[in-house]
Amino acid sequence: GESVGLHLPTLSVQEGDNSIINCAYSNSASDYFIWYKQESGKGPQFIIDIRSNMDKRQGQRVTVLLNKTVKHLSLQIAATQPGDSAVYFCAENMGGTYKYIFGTGTRLKVLA
Amino acid sequence: DAGVIQSPRHEVTEMGQEVTLRCKPISGHNSLFWYRQTMMRGLELLIYFNNNVPIDDSGMPEDRFSAKMPNASFSTLKIQPSEPRDSAVYFCASSRPTGGGETQYFGPGTRLLVL
Repeated sequence: GESVGLHLPTLSVQEGDNSIINCAYSNSASDYFIWYKQESGKGPQFIIDIRSNMDKRQGQRVTVLLNKTVKHLSLQIAATQPGDSAVYFCAENMGGTYKYIFGTGTRLKVLA
Repeated sequence: DAGVIQSPRHEVTEMGQEVTLRCKPISGHNSLFWYRQTMMRGLELLIYFNNNVPIDDSGMPEDRFSAKMPNASFSTLKIQPSEPRDSAVYFCASSRPTGGGETQYFGPGTRLLVL
């Protein structure tokens, strides 16, 4: 399904390679961040989160890095698989409020 | 665990008709959100409920949109009358406090097409 933006940036990677998806967030006061994966025709799926008191957090095949100095977030996917093909977007939350700012997303295409 | 449940998954209707979208949040979650997603504008927050009470409805486009949460396990988003520009994917999400920032879990969405 349609996600965000007519011209989403696209990252094409070979199956088995590592993927790095980047996100520049907007508010220096944001202290909680989430990466979502949205497959075609589905809702955003939680992948991994990180709080501002951390620089790095690892999950299963995924790692999130946070650089507060430059307000940058990245998602690393190890050994990318065809099932990883989706749109990925970050979300930032400020001060424990209910509001999130969602990024526009990056489309990941995994080449066989 | 069942995730957020939404119905219908797809809705095609004619301009002027009433549309009702339904959501069942994850059990134990006390916050519920309705979002709209379009190609041009991405994800937009329409309304936020906490403990069944609407807290922020500033994102509701106009009076044609209304939302209710009669109990902790059910919410509706109604559009009356519907217009072609309402065509979008509508997501419901729920969360519970996790100690500063609340992780939101999304449902599969309702794809609405107004002709």
